[in-house]
Amino acid sequence: GQQLNQSPQSMFIQEGEDVSMNCTSSSIFNTWLWYKQDPGEGPVLLIALYKAGELTSNGRLTAQFGITRKDSFLNISASIPSDVGIYFCAGHYGGATNKLIFGTGTLLAVQP
Amino acid sequence: DGGITQSPKYLFRKEGQNVTLSCEQNLNHDAMYWYRQDPGQGLRLIYYSQIVNDFQKGDIAEGYSVSREKKESFPLTVTSAQKNPTAFYLCASSAPDRVRYGYTFGSGTRLTVV
Repeated sequence: GQQLNQSPQSMFIQEGEDVSMNCTSSSIFNTWLWYKQDPGEGPVLLIALYKAGELTSNGRLTAQFGITRKDSFLNISASIPSDVGIYFCAGHYGGATNKLIFGTGTLLAVQP
Repeated sequence: DGGITQSPKYLFRKEGQNVTLSCEQNLNHDAMYWYRQDPGQGLRLIYYSQIVNDFQKGDIAEGYSVSREKKESFPLTVTSAQKNPTAFYLCASSAPDRVRYGYTFGSGTRLTVV
């Protein structure tokens, strides 16, 4: 099945550093979503993007819907230990499409 | 509070035994999904259901079965035909016309087959 490419696959950073990750697709999406999965838990929705070029923030998190509609970016500023987890992007084609397409995930580790 | 509940959190089974994972939601969502997650891998779709008494295979349906007799419930059976069943299983739900607003996920069941 289709999966979106996320980069990097993993990141090991110091507390206080900024983080950037991205998600790319060969197809155009109408919606981009970003989820965070805490260890041993289910993913939780962080940010939803619905328009090309859109920039949306949620606290220290900022995500952007790429202009080409084939990519999306997530930035975390001033990372803290509780940012640890796996970050997934997901795309939706729009219309009556009944499934999300998920990315391969970025594992983030933050050292205090 | 509305939500989606998976049980049990941890499950151990002997090789060759069938096992059923529970997923219940009180969000009044029509659509429900089952995903499998292996270490270092993303989410792979096993089965999904858009409405009661109807379901479709996902990308890795072999060795799994589901039923959808009630809107609230979408149990997953891992059969003995599944070659490598040890994994983390996630259930999700959504209103079918609101998929663009995202899924709500359960907290997962970790299945270990010994």
